[in-house]
This record gives sequence, structure tokens and C-alpha cells, in this order.
Amino acid sequence: DTEVTQTPKHLVMGMTNKKSLKCEQHMGHRAMYWYKQKAKKPPELMFVYSYEKLSINESVPSRFSPECPNSSLLNLHLHALQPEDSALYLCASTSRRDSPLHFGNGTRLTVT
Amino acid sequence: SQKIEQNSEALNIQEGKTATLTCNYTNYSPAYLQWYRQDPGRGPVFLLLIRENEKEKRKERLKVTFDTTLKQSLFHITASQPADSATYLCALDDNSGTYKYIFGTGTRLKVLA
Repeated sequence: DTEVTQTPKHLVMGMTNKKSLKCEQHMGHRAMYWYKQKAKKPPELMFVYSYEKLSINESVPSRFSPECPNSSLLNLHLHALQPEDSALYLCASTSRRDSPLHFGNGTRLTVT
Repeated sequence: SQKIEQNSEALNIQEGKTATLTCNYTNYSPAYLQWYRQDPGRGPVFLLLIRENEKEKRKERLKVTFDTTLKQSLFHITASQPADSATYLCALDDNSGTYKYIFGTGTRLKVLA
């Protein structure tokens, strides 16, 4: 079990749906991340929140909308996705730049 | 352009041998470099972190080296076991003062019994 919890584990959605991914950590970490991972590829950075403020957006399309309601919670709101957005979405957190990233086990998203 | 490349997509070795994985980067000057293990369908799990002023770090059967002149890190697993079979990823920070960590391309290691 990991200390970063992601829900749901699996999600199937149509291209016109709106859904949200949720990530929670109670380690007091102040930086939280969303990564996207396609099969047999490395995790690709999407967003970083630092002290609950969005600090990095890696030119992600606006159909992905992150939100950090508090220091323990990170959401990723999805709207009008494309089939090529199907992937494993990973959340991570860390306390400092020179500390490990703690990952959840991801949400497997399929867009139909 | 910035790149982080790991030497081979897949590596097969015999049980008991030492596995050596390579991480090469261009147009980065990382302060920290990390190595992770990832099993299918799971998130990456942290293994080791090495700082730019450190040459080598060890933990049990694992060893990491960091050469900032060559822009390369080597990751060694000694006395490898079939249970070590997984994908191994290096990740480095971009030294911009942010929390940005970028992953290398990954190496799928298979240890043959």
C-alpha cells in the first residue's frame, strides 16, 4: 500500500463526459504532482502544486483542469477528453526538492 | 533540446550477475538525481537519491554514481535476483528552484533464473 491514495483505480468515460480524479496524502507534503503515463513510456509531468498554488503547468490542454483544495488533496478535472488521453494518471507528493517523490498507484483512464 | 535517455529499453541478465543501467542527460544541470523502480500497473517506488556534489551512494545491493562532467548516472544492482525484474527510471530536477522532476525513458530489466 502507498501513502498516496488515488481514486478511482479505473475510469471509463465518453468524450462528452465530465469526471474528476482524486489524490490524497497525509504526510504533510507541500508539493503535489500530476503525471501522465502511456504504456511502455515514462511518466510525463503535467502539473505541480507547491504550497497549494499551481507552480508548473507543462502546456497541458485546458480539457485537464487541476485543483488543490487543501494541502492534502489534489484533484484533476476532466472534460471533453479525446481517446488519446487514455493513460495511467499518477499523483505524487514530496516534502522537499531533495526528498523522494511518493507516488500513488494511479488511475487507469480509458476514453471511449 | 533537453533530453534524459536511459541506455537501453530492455536489458536481460542472468541471476547473480550485476545489472548496470545508464542515465544520460543533455541540457540539464540537476542538483538531484533519483532512481525509481516501477512494476506493471503500479506507481514508481523510490530507490535512491544522489546530489550533484556526491559521487556515489549505496543501499544494500544498490549503488548509484553521478558524474556531472559526463552528465551521466549509473545504477548498479549486484547479485541480481528474478524479483529485481521491473522497469527502472531515473528522474532529475531541473535545478530551477521549483519542484520540477523529469523522468528518463526507462529500462525494463529482466533477471533470468
